[in-house]
Amino acid sequence: NAGVTQTPKFRILKIGQSMTLQCTQDMNHNYMYWYRQDPGMGLKLIYYSVGAGITDKGEVPNGYNVSRSTTEDFPLRLELAAPSQTSVYFCASSTPGPLDTEAFFGQGTRLTVV
Amino acid sequence: AQTVTQSQPEMSVQEAETVTLSCTYDTSESDYYLFWYKQPPSRQMILVIRQEAYKQQNATENRFSVNFQKAAKSFSLKISDSQLGDAAMYFCAYKEETSGSRLTFGEGTQLTVNP
Repeated sequence: NAGVTQTPKFRILKIGQSMTLQCTQDMNHNYMYWYRQDPGMGLKLIYYSVGAGITDKGEVPNGYNVSRSTTEDFPLRLELAAPSQTSVYFCASSTPGPLDTEAFFGQGTRLTVV
Repeated sequence: AQTVTQSQPEMSVQEAETVTLSCTYDTSESDYYLFWYKQPPSRQMILVIRQEAYKQQNATENRFSVNFQKAAKSFSLKISDSQLGDAAMYFCAYKEETSGSRLTFGEGTQLTVNP
């Protein structure tokens, strides 16, 4: 059982370039999330999805787009990379249920925009 | 919006001793969950312990325990018999029953364990 898998693990982008961070989970979880973690800071929610075809903005959505065409996949798109998007990005998933339901996290993608 | 505050950016403890990490939160909800996550240098987010708001009994997981004070909106983590492997960033997180069961994180506390 792989859990939540993110690719790539590291990436350097030039200002203005675009890229997609991939996230896939094999636990049949309905809920998926993208967080960013700036150096020395906590995780902030970018976008989330409660099921295929449904996405919604989190706390810091500007500069990002997402889609959810399948239960398994939740890619995060950066259209015009900016230095402010240098961060570590985490994908997570969970299942609807009691509040104690655990969220499972991927290993993170370290992105540097230069 | 809910907020989670960790007022100690850094803490240190001697191996085998006890340390307490602080967390406060702000909410108007009556039912919610609180979590402590550990993030070692590998970046992996590891769930340490969880506490449901309506339970008065404090959660315990081996050497880890919490002091949950609902009226004060306080949720501290106590690590007993600290080990070198406990060194990590620790995050307090809050979850309520809203759409998507989103987690709100504190800024984190970097714990150093001295041999």
